[in-house]
Amino acid sequence: GIQVEQSPPDLILQEGANSTLRCNFSDSVNNLQWFHQNPWGQLINLFYIPSGTKQNGRLSATTVATERYSLLYISSSQTTDSGVYFCGNAGGTSYGKLTFGQGTILTVHP
Amino acid sequence: EPEVTQTPSHQVTQMGQEVILRCVPISNHLYFYWYRQILGQKVEFLVSFYNNEISEKSEIFDDQFSVERPDGSNFTLKIRSTKLEDSAMYFCASSPDLYGYTFGSGTRLTVV
Repeated sequence: GIQVEQSPPDLILQEGANSTLRCNFSDSVNNLQWFHQNPWGQLINLFYIPSGTKQNGRLSATTVATERYSLLYISSSQTTDSGVYFCGNAGGTSYGKLTFGQGTILTVHP
Repeated sequence: EPEVTQTPSHQVTQMGQEVILRCVPISNHLYFYWYRQILGQKVEFLVSFYNNEISEKSEIFDDQFSVERPDGSNFTLKIRSTKLEDSAMYFCASSPDLYGYTFGSGTRLTVV
């Protein structure tokens, strides 16, 4: 099945700093989504982004489908950004079944 | 904002028992999913459901799991003969098409 690699595994920031998270995929990008799992365990959909760039407030994401990777940018980080960031992709001919990466654990200190 | 509702939020069951986890997807969504997350690990696909039938399932699904949409609003996951390693957070999700999931808050299942 499709492999999804996320980096870095852990990230510690001071409030106000910027960061870039990355996902690499072993198969085609066809249903790429980014999620934030907050400290209470909720999974919040940040972006559906199979290609191109999207922005939502301080967050933006870019996917380069031809090179099978996606980047999530967090600018001016806040303590509420802490949690785990996951990317998920289906790949190949499967569209609904997402394979997730191991996640990036982000800790933002005040 | 519409949300996916899961009940119960936490369930404790004895090994060998059957459990049913319940989900109410967003009303105009057509695709429904179950995922699980063992503590500290990544989120893992179990099954997708569309048009009243399973569209995809994971390798482990047939061993212990089944899904039903008993009426127009509920979507359930049944786990037969629970094992200790079934302890996990179970997430339901729905989407209007194949893209842009909305996840529920999850049910934490503890098997003792």
